[in-house]
Amino acid sequence: QKEVEQNSGPLSVPEGAIASLNCTYSDRGSQSFFWYRQYSGKSPELIMFIYSNGDKEDGRFTAQLNKASQYVSLLIRDSQPSDSATYLCAVNSRFGAGSYQLTFGKGTKLSVIP
Amino acid sequence: DAGITQSPRHKVTETGTPVTLRCHQTENHRYMYWYRQDPGHGLRLIHYSYGVKDTDKGEVSDGYSVSRSKTEDFLLTLESATSSQTSVYFCAISDQGVNEKLFFGSGTQLSVL
Repeated sequence: QKEVEQNSGPLSVPEGAIASLNCTYSDRGSQSFFWYRQYSGKSPELIMFIYSNGDKEDGRFTAQLNKASQYVSLLIRDSQPSDSATYLCAVNSRFGAGSYQLTFGKGTKLSVIP
Repeated sequence: DAGITQSPRHKVTETGTPVTLRCHQTENHRYMYWYRQDPGHGLRLIHYSYGVKDTDKGEVSDGYSVSRSKTEDFLLTLESATSSQTSVYFCAISDQGVNEKLFFGSGTQLSVL
């Protein structure tokens, strides 16, 4: 069973601060990494994806990947109360012979305090 | 929600009854997925489809079957519902490769009493 681990939180940060969300994964052969945001009672929404080691920036969001350490993170700069949600890490992991499936972490709940 | 409609949005049923959930997309995406989301477990894949009549099992497929007779429709059937199948069910679609950049529907809350 491939695993994706996240701290459940809640992670509380003041408005305007940087929120740092972390994720580790067990399948060293994983190639694709995603961050989804899920507001309470809503469906997950893709916000970032990364395939190569290093940083990828999109607006206030930065995804960081370190395959050697099997670690992926999401930074949210200038956090806003509207960023308060649960953030799901998803990793494309091997499932059986020759197939891959997305394995989701259980999510980190972020609360941005005004 | 990216042209994805799930029906019904809410359903209450009794143990032992068959249940079918429908996912309809207007995006003409090749790949479609059914996930369930439970507290303490996160999102788990039930089945997915990589084309009309082409489906494969996911991590938690026992007790579920699927069918895809048209590109736009993906049905999830619980042949004989059990209380352990009480969950929120999400349909998702993608077009850039299997498991790449999923877009989710609004979900179906299913309660099995």
